[in-house]
This record gives sequence, C-alpha cells and structure tokens, in this order.
Amino acid sequence: EPEVTQTPSHQVTQMGQEVILRCVPISNHLYFYWYRQILGQKVEFLVSFYNNEISEKSEIFDDQFSVERPDGSNFTLKIRSTKLEDSAMYFCASSLDAISNQPQHFGDGTRLSIL
Amino acid sequence: KNEVEQSPQNLTAQEGEFITINCSYSVGISALHWLQQHPGGGIVSLFMLSSGKKKHGRLIATINIQEKHSSLHITASHPRDSAVYICAAPASGGSQGNLIFGKGTKLSVKP
Repeated sequence: EPEVTQTPSHQVTQMGQEVILRCVPISNHLYFYWYRQILGQKVEFLVSFYNNEISEKSEIFDDQFSVERPDGSNFTLKIRSTKLEDSAMYFCASSLDAISNQPQHFGDGTRLSIL
Repeated sequence: KNEVEQSPQNLTAQEGEFITINCSYSVGISALHWLQQHPGGGIVSLFMLSSGKKKHGRLIATINIQEKHSSLHITASHPRDSAVYICAAPASGGSQGNLIFGKGTKLSVKP
C-alpha cells in the first residue's frame, strides 16, 4: 500500500538555525498538510497546500515557517531561525482531495529537537 | 472554530473486553476522523465517517451528526490495540482541511 514518507526521522538542530523537513506524499494525492505535536500535547494543524499554494494556515504558521513543493514528489516544511519551542514531532499528511470522504494519510513524523 | 472533546483520557482494559471511546464536537461537520497513534508516535487513519456506522475488523465507528457525537468501539480487545486513539474534526465544518484534534484516549489492554 502506498505511504507517506518523511525524512529525517529525527533532527537535532541548534537554536537559530534553519531546518528543512521533507515529505514525499502519496503520488496521486493532491492535498498536503503539515501538523505538529509538542511532547505531551495534542496534534495541531499548521498548513494545508493545494495546487502549489497554501490553501489554509493556522496562527502557529507565522513568517518563520514556509512550505514548498520543489518538484513533483517532495513537499517540504522550512523553519527559519528555530526556537526552543519549535521542538516537536512534525507530521506530514496527504489526501486525494478535500471534498469527498477520502482520509488523510500520515507519515511517521520527524522528531525535531532544538538545543 | 470547532472544539473537540474526547473521553476518557485514559483507559485500561483486560484482554477481551469491549472498549468504547467517545468524541464530541461543537461545530457541525460532514465527516469526522478517527486516528490511532502508536507508542512510537506514528499516526494511522482508522476511519473517516459522515453518517451511521463503519466497521473494519474489530473496530467499529459510529457518528450522530445531529448530536455532534461519535464513538469508537473495539470488540474483543487485544494488547496490540494499546495505543492513543484520537478523533479529529474540521475546524470550520466540511470534511477536510484544517483538522482540530482531540487530546486523545490512551488505551492500555492488559493480557
């Protein structure tokens, strides 16, 4: 069964550095999402992406964050000038569309640790 | 904006028991998601349902759109069912997009 893959599985970065989290969504999916989960807290929506542009974003997704689909397969989340509070598990998800009852498929996540 | 509440927060069961996890939400939606988060952190979509009932193996999900309530049932529970079960609803109605997640129900099934 096709799956969403995320790399790396764990990223350790110094505060203030930039990180890029990578995701390869399922190939025929059209909608892509990033979520984060701070340790011990619930999963939170960051951003959704369709047709090469952001379709929706949360208050968390400020100017520090950006997303990109640089080629036909990768979907990336960039965090500029990381802060300690960016430490979290980041999940990528994709879905076939956003209208019919097609579930979102999640990757295994990238654990980001900011030192 | 939707608010999603789950109960219970923690649940311990003996192998073989019937499990029920409840979810309520505040804004009308067209579909609700049930997800399973493994101890390692990975998330798997279990169900996306808009009405009635769906069944997959020993898992059954029901939803009452009018009452804004859904339940996830596990029949003949097994230790491998131990995980966190999360319901999620679209933030502003509809079926996809910005999902609001519940805090999750941590299920532990003892042999």
